[in-house]
Amino acid sequence: GESVGLHLPTLSVQEGDNSIINCAYSNSASDYFIWYKQESGKGPQFIIDIRSNMDKRQGQRVTVLLNKTVKHLSLQIAATQPGDSAVYFCAENDYGGSQGNLIFGKGTKLSVKP
Amino acid sequence: DSGVTQTPKHLITATGQRVTLRCSPRSGDLSVYWYQQSLDQGLQFLIQYYNGEERAKGNILERFSAQQFPDLHSELNLSSLELGDSALYFCASSVEGTPSTDTQYFGPGTRLTVL
Repeated sequence: GESVGLHLPTLSVQEGDNSIINCAYSNSASDYFIWYKQESGKGPQFIIDIRSNMDKRQGQRVTVLLNKTVKHLSLQIAATQPGDSAVYFCAENDYGGSQGNLIFGKGTKLSVKP
Repeated sequence: DSGVTQTPKHLITATGQRVTLRCSPRSGDLSVYWYQQSLDQGLQFLIQYYNGEERAKGNILERFSAQQFPDLHSELNLSSLELGDSALYFCASSVEGTPSTDTQYFGPGTRLTVL
C-alpha cells in the first residue's frame, strides 16, 4: 500500500539553530499534508498543514515546503527551542484509500541541546 | 489542550478481557476518529464516525468495534484482548468529516496494557 516515510529517524540540534525535518510520500495523488508534534506522554498536536496547490506555507516559527515533483515534504523550525523537543510526524491523506483518512509516517525525534 | 478528552488515561487488563475506551470530541466537532499507536506500527487509523454514523474504516480488527452516540461522544470497544493489543489509543475530532480538508485534533490518549 501507499506509505509515508521519513529520511531521518532522529535529529539533534543546538538551541537557537534552525531544524529541518524531512518526509517522503509515495502517493502522487495525495493532496493534503500535515505535520504533527508529539511530546512524551501526550497526543499528537497539529502544527501546520499544506495543500497540494501550494509549495510553501508559513506559520509561527515553522514553514512547510512541498515538492510534488520529488514527492517530498519538509518542516523547518526557526530558532529551535528546548520546548520543540518531540517526535514529529508527517501525514498525508489516503487519497483513494480509506475515504481520505490520514496515513502517518513513523516519526522523527527532534532533540534540542541547550 | 486540544479540547478532546479521553478516559481512562491508563488501563491494565488481562488477555481475553474486554475494555471500553471513551472519547469526547471538541465542542462543535461532529467527526471522531480512532487511532492505535504502537512501537512497531506507528500511528494507525482505525475507524471514523461522523454525526453518529460510521464513515470510514482503516486497520481495525474484527475484535474491535466503536460507536458514536447522539451527544457525539464515542466509545471504542476492544474484546478478546491479546498481548499485541497493548498500545496507545488516540481519539481525534474534526468539525466535519472530510480528512482531506478538516484538521484533526487529538486527545491525550489511553494507554492500554494487556498482561
